[in-house]
Amino acid sequence: QVQLVQSGAEVKKPGASVKVSCKASGYSFNTYQMDWVRQAPGQGLEWLGRIHPGEDRTNYAQKLQGRITMTGDTSTSTAYMELTSLRSEDTAIYYCARAWGDGYFMVDYWGQGTLVSVSS
Amino acid sequence: QSVLTQPPSLSAAPGQKVTISCSGSSSNIANHFVSWYQQLPGAAPKLLIFEDNKRFSGIPDRFSGSKSATSATLVITGLQTGDEADYYCGVWDRSLRGVVFGGGTELTVL
Repeated sequence: QVQLVQSGAEVKKPGASVKVSCKASGYSFNTYQMDWVRQAPGQGLEWLGRIHPGEDRTNYAQKLQGRITMTGDTSTSTAYMELTSLRSEDTAIYYCARAWGDGYFMVDYWGQGTLVSVSS
Repeated sequence: QSVLTQPPSLSAAPGQKVTISCSGSSSNIANHFVSWYQQLPGAAPKLLIFEDNKRFSGIPDRFSGSKSATSATLVITGLQTGDEADYYCGVWDRSLRGVVFGGGTELTVL
């Protein structure tokens, strides 16, 4: 069965960077895209971007351009999301989710989420 | 301020029907497929509906989706207490070249 298992919670200081991992199993990692979505405390969902690991293509939300990098390691079926120059507003649960298609949105399986806390 | 507009909260009694709206524009809903997600308290979101009206595997037919012009709708019939959750619509936006979500609707079944 499809599973996405994310790395554990992180506590960071403002200005630092964080890298969250998402290990996929149960499907061909190279075939599907991976979206990253975050949810600030008590808030709604925010799309961060997408990576196609098999084609090494990325598409980032305009708001985070320059601060976010998504990568994929096809040898371990693991996707990564790195966010730099962290601010308190980046405190959120970060989710990876398997995505379908270009110019299209449907994510069918989600990771369990990784809490990233940014505080001085 | 979300690109897609949903009612912040709705409530209905067990067994009743509820309709959750999602309003967008020509750059998103009117020209791209909408999907709907249920998020139970403390859990990751779960896919309910994709491509406007297709139920995902294992989703009961009490959940249905539709779309007209720049608005989409999720209907839940035969409400159960286990349906208490936040519901989100999501869609590709061609102007932003990315995905946009509604602000979410908190459903209470009382």
